[in-house]
Amino acid sequence: GEDVEQSLFLSVREGDSSVINCTYTDSSSTYLYWYKQEPGAGLQLLTYIFSNMDMKQDQRLTVLLNKKDKHLSLRIADTQTGDSAIYFCAVRHGSSNTGKLIFGQGTTLQVKP
Amino acid sequence: GAVVSQHPSWVICKSGTSVKIECRSLDFQATTMFWYRQFPKQSLMLMATSNEGSKATYEQGVEKDKFLINHASLTLSTLTVTSAHPEDSSFYICSARATSASRYNEQFFGPGTRLTVL
Repeated sequence: GEDVEQSLFLSVREGDSSVINCTYTDSSSTYLYWYKQEPGAGLQLLTYIFSNMDMKQDQRLTVLLNKKDKHLSLRIADTQTGDSAIYFCAVRHGSSNTGKLIFGQGTTLQVKP
Repeated sequence: GAVVSQHPSWVICKSGTSVKIECRSLDFQATTMFWYRQFPKQSLMLMATSNEGSKATYEQGVEKDKFLINHASLTLSTLTVTSAHPEDSSFYICSARATSASRYNEQFFGPGTRLTVL
């Protein structure tokens, strides 16, 4: 079945850029997402990208998609302590917009002052 | 924006009792709701998908008689953990997809319910 992999932990200093990486296996996936989860809370959609795009920028967030390598990344510019959270990559299974979401294990981002 | 609430936010119960968790879409109608389970430091695992007015579709390995799901209206879905045992202790998160979903078909997530079974 579909598999989504992420590194588990990333530590950066405040003001630096953070890059969180994700790989997936389903080449037909059309919708790819990044979610943020703060401690004890649900998931907040940060951004998304369609598979026909290579890059999407939204303020401090930049998403890069390498469809050939099935690699997705999230770059957070000027990382702040409030960005400390768990970041989940999620891929919608198949090409349908109603396929179920498959989540990666989550990357814990630690931002040091 | 679209808000999904869950109640209760946390619950502690004795082994053998049943616990009901509510998921509500507050400002939109949700034809489809999803229930996920999250273990500490792990990803979200989809348990079941429910469509309003019909039976839920359970993922492989999820016992439908243990995790009863009811989606009686376009704004409310409930998950009942029957005869709960300590291994059912987990963080349960619901998600709702709007009736008229946007192009990227966003799912809105609730804040989660922490269940602890003693």
